[in-house]
Amino acid sequence: GDSVTQMEGPVTLSEEAFLTINCTYTATGYPSLFWYVQYPGEGLQLLLKATKADDKGSNKGFEATYRKETTSFHLEKGSVQVSDSAVYFCALRPYGSARQLTFGSGTQLTVLP
Amino acid sequence: EAGVAQSPRYKIIEKRQSVAFWCNPISGHATLYWYQQILGQGPKLLIQFQNNGVVDDSQLPKDRFSAERLKGVDSTLKIQPAKLEDSAVYLCASSLEERTEAFFGQGTRLTVV
Repeated sequence: GDSVTQMEGPVTLSEEAFLTINCTYTATGYPSLFWYVQYPGEGLQLLLKATKADDKGSNKGFEATYRKETTSFHLEKGSVQVSDSAVYFCALRPYGSARQLTFGSGTQLTVLP
Repeated sequence: EAGVAQSPRYKIIEKRQSVAFWCNPISGHATLYWYQQILGQGPKLLIQFQNNGVVDDSQLPKDRFSAERLKGVDSTLKIQPAKLEDSAVYLCASSLEERTEAFFGQGTRLTVV
């Protein structure tokens, strides 16, 4: 079945450091890929998405590129801020499916001033 | 625009008791989802409604869990009887239609003791 594997956390960085959170997936066909963010005490929010190979999703300085050849969708940000501290979830939805998302286990990011 | 509303925010019950959670989706959203998020794991879909019909309940433990969405708006999720392993955050989400962006509520944190 479909699955998503994220790098294990927690991840702790200093402000302005470069961030990478790895995500790989297993799915048939061409799923849509997503990154969600969960700030403390809040619900999940869609951060960015990509629906086909080589697409790049971007939002709030975060980027992720859909790599079909490596089945990956790594999240990157060039300079993190304290306000980026949150849990980040990678997720997929199978192509053409009405079913909702399959999530990874999440990566806790803490950014120190 | 009001978001997805859930109540209660927190609930503590003893095992074998029953509990119910309530969700009010964003107005006009036809699709509603319930997810279970166990600590340290990503959310797992329990049930998906399209209006007041069930689209997918393949991962819902039907011997103890039930859900309904009367009149295609609000929804309730019930657990009876609860087990220790049901301790989790229960997330409700809604989307305008199937395969469009899902918006999540803040969740209900259930602790079974």
